[in-house]
Amino acid sequence: QSVMTQPPSASGTPGQGVTISCSGGSSNIGANSAYWYQQIPGTAPKVLMYRNNQRPSGVPVRFSASKSGTSASLVISGLRSQDEADYFCAAWDDTLRAWVFGGGTRLTVL
Amino acid sequence: QVQLQESGPGLVTPSETLSLTCIVSGGSISSSGYYWNWIRQPAGKGLEWIGRFYSGGNPDYNSSLKSRVTISADTSNNQFSLKLRSVTAADTAVYYCARACSGATCAPTWGQGTLVTVSS
Repeated sequence: QSVMTQPPSASGTPGQGVTISCSGGSSNIGANSAYWYQQIPGTAPKVLMYRNNQRPSGVPVRFSASKSGTSASLVISGLRSQDEADYFCAAWDDTLRAWVFGGGTRLTVL
Repeated sequence: QVQLQESGPGLVTPSETLSLTCIVSGGSISSSGYYWNWIRQPAGKGLEWIGRFYSGGNPDYNSSLKSRVTISADTSNNQFSLKLRSVTAADTAVYYCARACSGATCAPTWGQGTLVTVSS
């Protein structure tokens, strides 16, 4: 059971937008930066967002993120078939003194 | 640009010690401001943080693994290692090493991962 909660699945059609939520607590997202990862099965996680809403170079502007209180959200606009992947949120937890991850959301592009 | 590469045996016998090394290039593990992590992912499951170290500080470990884990640095070869003792089949996973920045000032960098299977 993950410390941070994500919906197990999400879906959308090409061109649509989708939002993936991540619910944490006061000791993780509430106190520290949220991160988002994209993982295509069989490959290593790729950083999509760090410091709540910062995109590493090479990540398309279609990906955006925000944080409010103890929750974070990832928004993908203009869905493409190559966006089909698992998406994980992450944050440092001050109480556990550990990195904690959401359980992951499987995104399907219909 | 920093790069990380995991190396080690792909098969470990139950009750033995899993040993992996993360070879770092393009950046020094002795530099301040960075955390060097190990994370694992069983097949079809989510990510589990194992632990981290940082230059000049004491390692932090996942409390659920703390009694069996040691993370240490080899500064002369610019690499760091993971040792997980008394392994069982539940420790079968892809193991990743990753660099994170203090204060979230940069995007984390991950290795490509290495599959370790615990089986006799």
